[in-house]
Amino acid sequence: DIQMTQSPSSLSASVGDRVTITCRASQSITNYLNWYQQKPGKAPKLLIYAESHLQNGVPSRFSGSGSGTDFIFTISSLQPEDFATYYCQQTYSPPQTFGQGTKVEIK
Amino acid sequence: QVQLVQSGAEVKKPGSSVRVSCKASGGRFRGLAISWVRQAPGQGLEWMGGIIPVFGTPDYAQNLQGRVTISADDSTSTAYMELSSLRSEDTATYYCASVASLTIFGVGWNTWGQGTLVTVSS
Repeated sequence: DIQMTQSPSSLSASVGDRVTITCRASQSITNYLNWYQQKPGKAPKLLIYAESHLQNGVPSRFSGSGSGTDFIFTISSLQPEDFATYYCQQTYSPPQTFGQGTKVEIK
Repeated sequence: QVQLVQSGAEVKKPGSSVRVSCKASGGRFRGLAISWVRQAPGQGLEWMGGIIPVFGTPDYAQNLQGRVTISADDSTSTAYMELSSLRSEDTATYYCASVASLTIFGVGWNTWGQGTLVTVSS
């Protein structure tokens, strides 16, 4: 199985801050990397697919980059509604493993 | 716009089985790929498997192989996930997710069901 290592596991930030989350795959997954946002009691929401493609309707403050094994997810200016847990996921080969999640909390 | 509606919460005894349904509406079912993901209380996301209804052959996570069966019924636009030999560790919220695609690889799962809580307890 491909292991996805996400860091940090949690972070505290203020509204307006730039937030960066990294995800490292245990082997190359080309660009088959997604980012999801999940709020308590809700289903995950797709934000970014195929490493850098913004899902329809997702604000442009969210972005993704990287390739191969190392990926970065960025929120350019954190908004109150962005406090949530974020997960990366590889869809290169089964099982389609997720990172362990990054909880973004209010500072 | 595809919407996915899942069946309701279940309470099961250890050793029994559970079947969760996921009904798609608002889109072409045979053009979808469908995945199942679970989340234990307070834990992260675990991919269980996926299926392309038009092809019918599912892919499973190896650690669940033999206990999980994923299927799809074109006539009712419904996907199913059945998990057998339930253990307390299977207590989780189970989600279906879909994307308009004829492959489960290289996709972003852009539509999710509301989740079904399955509790395994004696």
